[in-house]
Amino acid sequence: EVQLVESGGGLVQPGGSLRLSCAASGFTFKSYAMSWVRQAPGKGLEWVSAIGAGGAGTHYADSVKGRFTISSDSSTNTLFLQMNSLRAEDTAVYYCAKPLAAVAGTRWFDPWGQGTLVTVSS
Amino acid sequence: DIQMTQSPSSVSASEGDRVTITCRASQGISNSLAWYQQKPGEAPKLLIYAASSLQSGVPSRFSGTGSGTDFTLTISSLQPEDFATYYCQQANSFPLTFGGGTKVQVK
Repeated sequence: EVQLVESGGGLVQPGGSLRLSCAASGFTFKSYAMSWVRQAPGKGLEWVSAIGAGGAGTHYADSVKGRFTISSDSSTNTLFLQMNSLRAEDTAVYYCAKPLAAVAGTRWFDPWGQGTLVTVSS
Repeated sequence: DIQMTQSPSSVSASEGDRVTITCRASQGISNSLAWYQQKPGEAPKLLIYAASSLQSGVPSRFSGTGSGTDFTLTISSLQPEDFATYYCQQANSFPLTFGGGTKVQVK
């Protein structure tokens, strides 16, 4: 069974940093591009970042470019999101998401993790 | 960036009703579109991918159509477990973008 388990969320002050992790199991992690998607309280879904299979190539939403860094570790099957210079508008539940298939260009997601809440507030 | 416009933002319906949700892309995306269902407190669940392919395990009352810029999700006969929020997502190019969501609520 495919499982994605996020961790690392919490309360952080504006300007602070946080590192999210997503532990993956049940599939060949290194063969899949992975993404982070977030959802602000009561709002819709916003794609944040993606990393190619095996860590090759990264993409970011304009709203986080230069502040967030996505990475992955195939030895531990873990996806990361390093978040720096956090702002109040970064407050959201952050989900990691796996593409449906290990085929280049597959960018629809199933499954998603349960999410981890990041709150940016003083 | 490709903008995804979903309508309506909410719909009130009864069990057994046929519900249709539309999604329009700001530029052509071929069939690179997915639909998700999200219930409160839960992660989104993939329903439809490649505009019209039903994800494994999803009931056949869900269907998707469209290509280019205009897409539709149809629930043929609404069931109690279908009251939720639905999102479209374009998968054609980065940055990936979602529609604003459609909340299907009890009439």
